[in-house]
Amino acid sequence: QLHLQESGPGLVKPSETLSLTCTVSGDSITSSSYNWDWIRQPPGKGLEWIGSIHYTGSTYYNPSLKSRVTMSINTSKNQFSLRLTSVTAADTAVYYCARIKWGVVVAIVTPRFLDFWGRGSLVTVSS
Amino acid sequence: QSVLTQPPSVSGAPGQRLTISCAGSSSNIGAGYDVHWYQQLPGTAPKLLIYDNNNRPSGVPDRFSGSKSGTSASLAITGLQADDEADYYCQSYDSSLSGVLFGGGTKLTVL
Repeated sequence: QLHLQESGPGLVKPSETLSLTCTVSGDSITSSSYNWDWIRQPPGKGLEWIGSIHYTGSTYYNPSLKSRVTMSINTSKNQFSLRLTSVTAADTAVYYCARIKWGVVVAIVTPRFLDFWGRGSLVTVSS
Repeated sequence: QSVLTQPPSVSGAPGQRLTISCAGSSSNIGAGYDVHWYQQLPGTAPKLLIYDNNNRPSGVPDRFSGSKSGTSASLAITGLQADDEADYYCQSYDSSLSGVLFGGGTKLTVL
């Protein structure tokens, strides 16, 4: 059974950089049919997709966050990471890592569904 | 427009059938991209409930079903139970966003 676990600081100061790591166990992060995603959920609000990374290093980011987001992957450790710069209180959220299935839909390869999720990590932005 | 619209809340009595709608547009559902549904119980991570419009992962009861038509999709729940109380999210791919798009979520209350 696949297991994902987020780790990182629970408190980040405004204007600083949020860094989280997701450790994957139970399967290799190098599966070609899957990407590895970050999703966040502000307290009491809905889900927001942050971005996606393939084990080859290809990345896809939400345009609304693209200027501040960097995702990376470490296949030797079976981990992938998120960096979000210049954070404000609006970035306070539970951050989830998840695996996403990719496949051909409407004749192009696209992300499809998120089948395994981590338990989430609350990050609060406050001085 | 990159938006999936869900009703903020729905409610029903135990045993009833209810549906949750997810309205999209020509850049997501209407373009032919599949719709997926997630259930988020209070204080927990979302869980995949329906994938590719109408498929259930192993372990999901057949009381849950999905459908898609045109630019919209629906999640149906039959035989409503108290432990179905949760937030439900639809999700698709959006070509304008070039990424994953979630609906705003629907809070289901069992009366």
